[in-house]
Amino acid sequence: QSALTQPASVSGSPGQSITISCTGSSSDVGSYNYVSWYQQHPGKAPKLMIYDVTKRPSGDSNRFSGSKSGNTASLTISGLQAEDEADYYCCSYAGSSSLVFGGGTKLTVL
Amino acid sequence: EVQLVESGGGLVQPGGSLRLSCEASGFTVSSNYMSWVRQAPGKGLAWVSIVYAGGNPYYADSVKGRFTISRDIFKNTLFLQMDSLRAEDTALYYCARHYSGSGSYFSGFDYWGQGTLVTVSS
Repeated sequence: QSALTQPASVSGSPGQSITISCTGSSSDVGSYNYVSWYQQHPGKAPKLMIYDVTKRPSGDSNRFSGSKSGNTASLTISGLQAEDEADYYCCSYAGSSSLVFGGGTKLTVL
Repeated sequence: EVQLVESGGGLVQPGGSLRLSCEASGFTVSSNYMSWVRQAPGKGLAWVSIVYAGGNPYYADSVKGRFTISRDIFKNTLFLQMDSLRAEDTALYYCARHYSGSGSYFSGFDYWGQGTLVTVSS
């Protein structure tokens, strides 16, 4: 149950697009289409942004999108806005009724 | 409206025990998959335990044999009994509901509580 690998930080200017990667293994990300992404603002609970690799919860912003290639999943945020500044976490099913999170990525909007 | 409210956290000595509660409203805990997720101070999220709607429990290796997840159907409440606590168990503990709208219960967590802080220290 090793944590998924995410970059510690990414940054972008308002209006730009950024991508956060989430690298796992053939035991988790590579084997299941059950990758989810969470946004967490300081002092707040995580919020589901993407589930099943590419799906967005109803009513949520379409500026957020997800994808996967092999053992790596990605979250892309387009049209970056100041309120997008937060920590982002990926999570994957890892088999045997277990889940594993990434280490988290701090997004800074310049 | 779906709400999750955790309680039961506090300061406990190494080797001690604590029971966390997560009171749910707006849905039925026993009809859903539920998990505990923790976050050490300044660190990332870590999955701790899951209980299936049918009652089957599963645990992360780091807590297996020390933590027990359970539910009270009448109180619509999720619990986490934590025994043999260690310093590395210090964290904010969240309960979270598994999203059930896509056919799989491992799609993601759609509702989270605000967390309850557990500090293990002498």
